Amino acid sequence: DTGVSQDPRHKITKRGQNVTFRCDPISEHNRLYWYRQTLGQGPEFLTYFQNEAQLEKSRLLSDRFSAERPKGSFSTLEIQRTEQGDSAMYLCASSLSRLAGRLNTGELFFGEGSRLTVL
Amino acid sequence: GQQLNQSPQSMFIQEGEDVSMNCTSSSIFNTWLWYKQEPGEGPVLLIALYKAGELTSNGRLTAQFGITRKDSFLNISASIPSDVGIYFCAGRVTDSWGKFQFGAGTQVVVTP
Repeated sequence: DTGVSQDPRHKITKRGQNVTFRCDPISEHNRLYWYRQTLGQGPEFLTYFQNEAQLEKSRLLSDRFSAERPKGSFSTLEIQRTEQGDSAMYLCASSLSRLAGRLNTGELFFGEGSRLTVL
Repeated sequence: GQQLNQSPQSMFIQEGEDVSMNCTSSSIFNTWLWYKQEPGEGPVLLIALYKAGELTSNGRLTAQFGITRKDSFLNISASIPSDVGIYFCAGRVTDSWGKFQFGAGTQVVVTP
């Protein structure tokens, strides 16, 4: 399977614990995105990387959240001192961004998501 | 929160009927994407649109990039039970080549 993979698929933790999610993008994709989705809502943007550079972060990404993509391949999203409000599905997506000419396509392809439940 | 207005919020239709949904924005977009999501899964890309006025089909699905560049439409023709799910639009602002904003979704329920 050459799609986006996320691990773990499900995580249950107690409030105050740290959790880390991993995302492996489609191999040739240079962009990687993290989104958060709560029940009944569409995905909300958290952050994205182009190669190893983190280009944009949402205000939703508090200082308890940190994302890395050290070698421009896989990425991790860590949440420190989890709170019940952090319970959500964390979605990773990747895309191939080409700036040749004036056209930048780059459809997002999502993984299956990592569902976090904070008790 | 969401900056895209997606409607309707839900639709209950009979098998064989057509379905229409749309998204509107106050911003001008350079790209529209349409996704389908089933419970416990990630969104699956259905159609991508890049030019104002563009009309693109994928089987029984047809989507259009509005000429104002602030809206998009998705139609499903002759619905079948497996069309059940939540459909999301996603748009990218013209002066940004990065993040996509998502609508809140349209839940489609198909009854036999």
